[in-house]
Amino acid sequence: NAGVTQTPKFQVLKTGQSMTLQCAQDMNHEYMSWYRQDPGMGLRLIHYSVGAGITDQGEVPNGYNVSRSTTEDFPLRLLSAAPSQTSVYFCASSSPPRGAYEQYFGPGTRLTVT
Amino acid sequence: DAKTTQPPSMDCAEGRAANLPCNHSTISGNEYVYWYRQIHSQGPQYIIHGLKNNETNEMASLIITEDRKSSTLILPHATLRDTAVYYCIVRVPSYGGGADGLTFGKGTHLIIQP
Repeated sequence: NAGVTQTPKFQVLKTGQSMTLQCAQDMNHEYMSWYRQDPGMGLRLIHYSVGAGITDQGEVPNGYNVSRSTTEDFPLRLLSAAPSQTSVYFCASSSPPRGAYEQYFGPGTRLTVT
Repeated sequence: DAKTTQPPSMDCAEGRAANLPCNHSTISGNEYVYWYRQIHSQGPQYIIHGLKNNETNEMASLIITEDRKSSTLILPHATLRDTAVYYCIVRVPSYGGGADGLTFGKGTHLIIQP
């Protein structure tokens, strides 16, 4: 199993550009989530999905869109990048019952918006 | 989620046991204690969790005091690869999936010395 994979590893965008961060998992997990991690802020939940076709907002959803057309993939779209979206983005997946406490994280995408 | 308090940093000699404390004096009866770690530039990794009994798995042991107001994560034979930031989280298990998300505080930076 590759686990949770994320692409790209690094990305630099200009303000106003759009892009999609890719996330895929090969563990047949139902639950997938996107977090951002900023220095001194810890992890913050952006969007999550409890299954294909179902998504919902987390703590900081503004400026981001998600979709979940398959169990495996959960892309995160930045609609119009802003410097405040400079961060490290982590995708995570889990499945009940262990998913109540154990999430598997990808290696992260480091995004800089200039 | 109950608030947790961890020392900002700790050192431990390679091969010795690393004992990481966590205070959670406002923990409620249905909240579990979880531990995750994050090795530099990687995604967070689940370590262990518990409610009130001591727990052990292949990675670590978790000792929770009888009043549940504090706990200790024990890495029995620390190696250089255990150098990471360790996060203690107290929360009700999210059986709905990623809806609540994981909230990491500042954690403890554990440095294993050769």
